[in-house]
Amino acid sequence: QSALTQPPSASGSPGQSVTISCTGTSSDVGGYNYVSWYQQQPGKAPKLLIYEVSTRPSGVPDRFSGSKSGNTASLTVSGLQAEDEADYYCTSYAGRKNVFGTGTKVTVL
Amino acid sequence: EVQLVESGGGLEQPGGSLRLSCAASGFTFSTYSMNWVRQAPGKGLEWLSHITGSSGTVYYADSVKGRFTISRDNAKNSLYLQMNSLRVEDTAVYFCVRVGYVWDYDWWGQGTLVTVSS
Repeated sequence: QSALTQPPSASGSPGQSVTISCTGTSSDVGGYNYVSWYQQQPGKAPKLLIYEVSTRPSGVPDRFSGSKSGNTASLTVSGLQAEDEADYYCTSYAGRKNVFGTGTKVTVL
Repeated sequence: EVQLVESGGGLEQPGGSLRLSCAASGFTFSTYSMNWVRQAPGKGLEWLSHITGSSGTVYYADSVKGRFTISRDNAKNSLYLQMNSLRVEDTAVYFCVRVGYVWDYDWWGQGTLVTVSS
């Protein structure tokens, strides 16, 4: 099972928005509404930001939003803040397995 | 509060074995599916294995199938990963994770480092 494809990097100035794509196939992203997104700060464990494509767990700011169209899911971070600088990973259920994305490093300029 | 604490990592030679443990607290362990996820140094996340709350169903990534075995002891609130026939490419931080809703991970341990080297 190949990893889902994410851009290696993305950036934006404080207050701007950045959108990260996560491209898979009809066997994973396109076949299930079970895409989740994680934020990983350096040296820390990942943190759940979005599950089931677009649902935010309690405590996650509404600046983070998720969506999906066909085989591509997206995470949008609105109103970028300095603390949003981190690595971001998507993952999708793929039938008896999970597949992670390749990861995107977000830089706040 | 939910806590997941991994242990058992360390240095092992290629072909050797290690058993990772994850001590869970702060929630009803037996009612949650659990997974193992790893991250090689400077690399991305890789899903490894899934076990349901009753241990009735387990799944593995192709990269570890036949070499790693996931198990749990609900009486001890513990998750395990038995790793045999270790390879250099198994070097990574191994995370114990709780499945929150459907194959998403709402709680993560701090990870334990496994280094496979001669």
